[in-house]
Amino acid sequence: AQKITQTQPGMFVQEKEAVTLDCTYDTSDPSYGLFWYKQPSSGEMIFLIYQGSYDQQNATEGRYSLNFQKARKSANLVISASQLGDSAMYFCAMREAQMKTSYDKVIFGPGTSLSVIP
Amino acid sequence: DTEVTQTPKHLVMGMTNKKSLKCEQHMGHRAMYWYKQKAKKPPELMFVYSYEKLSINESVPSRFSPECPNSSLLNLHLHALQPEDSALYLCASSQVGHGSYEQYFGPGTRLTVT
Repeated sequence: AQKITQTQPGMFVQEKEAVTLDCTYDTSDPSYGLFWYKQPSSGEMIFLIYQGSYDQQNATEGRYSLNFQKARKSANLVISASQLGDSAMYFCAMREAQMKTSYDKVIFGPGTSLSVIP
Repeated sequence: DTEVTQTPKHLVMGMTNKKSLKCEQHMGHRAMYWYKQKAKKPPELMFVYSYEKLSINESVPSRFSPECPNSSLLNLHLHALQPEDSALYLCASSQVGHGSYEQYFGPGTRLTVT
């Protein structure tokens, strides 16, 4: 069974500083993908970044980058130059291919609450 | 248009009521999902529809009844709910297939059962 671990229930970061949110995963599938989602207090889940298990380079999207260490099974999210609007819950998630189907399930980690301090 | 809409935004219902949650997307996605999320917890998958057919039911109680009338719409019919069913209900959609297809989420419906 697949599992996602996020060991930081809450994090604080000073505005304009960089912050790393930890994520480790466990899977026996050779092909998998990892997502990061942001959920503000309004409730909507916002897709941030994706890393495939066979991707040679770490994914980047603007101020977001993913520090992917496959051997250690970690996929940490790095947010550079934090902004007040970055305060939210952050979920690491992994897609789980469903055999003989046309879709993937996505399982979510417990989340990290990030607070950006002015 | 990369938007998933959900109505209503808030819903308060008694345990004997019947209500429905609605979700709509116009991105051409043929996979649609219902999640339940309790406060400070991750979303939990309830149902998956693929090509308008129910593909996954994660052992959800029968008081929740999903419906996918067409490729753009997803409903969740509620009947005889319990107070512990109070939660944020999120709808999502994605492309069909195995790959890097992210799920696009709606803003959710905050349900309170009294």
